[in-house]
Amino acid sequence: GAVVSQHPSRVICKSGTSVKIECRSLDFQATTMFWYRQFPKQSLMLMATSNEGSKATYEQGVEKDKFLINHASLTLSTLTVTSAHPEDSSFYICSARHGGQMNSPLHFGNGTRLTVT
Amino acid sequence: TQLLEQSPQFLSIQEGENLTVYCNSSSVFSSLQWYRQEPGEGPVLLVTVVTGGEVKKLKRLTFQFGDARKDSSLHITAAQPGDTGLYLCAGADTGGFKTIFGAGTRLFVKA
Repeated sequence: GAVVSQHPSRVICKSGTSVKIECRSLDFQATTMFWYRQFPKQSLMLMATSNEGSKATYEQGVEKDKFLINHASLTLSTLTVTSAHPEDSSFYICSARHGGQMNSPLHFGNGTRLTVT
Repeated sequence: TQLLEQSPQFLSIQEGENLTVYCNSSSVFSSLQWYRQEPGEGPVLLVTVVTGGEVKKLKRLTFQFGDARKDSSLHITAAQPGDTGLYLCAGADTGGFKTIFGAGTRLFVKA
């Protein structure tokens, strides 16, 4: 089955520093990947759509200069949280569609728990 | 804006009991998915329903898609502690591009 790998699984950083999270599709190509944020005991909130070779599309209310997304290849998208603050602490999850069709189900990475101190 | 309303939000039951989780919308979806998520992990796909009225079974789990493709349900028979987790319904938005998630149902099955 489709496998999406996310790294790191946990990261602790100091306020003001930047953190990069990687999302890889291991056995399929993904022209589009999605980045979600999840607060404790809540559902997934779509942050942005990562498009290979072009700019990401951000959801309303998500600061694109703070959450930098790069999708440089068909198997890798990265999310960089710049100048992190404690309120950025959250669970970040990436996903990709396997199968190419727009309504194909998403396959998720295992998430990254970010803690900003 | 398409919304998926999921209920109940929280459910705590004894092992062996049955339960049903509902996912409702005023909008039509071309397909709906059900995911299960455990703490600290990403959601795992359980099933996709595509055809109105469709029923799919996965061991003790039964998924149904409404005739009008606006709602879905997940029924678990004889729940076990291993069923504990966050259950999420999801569907592609009108453009078929972005996936919208319900608020989730947190299930706790006590031994």
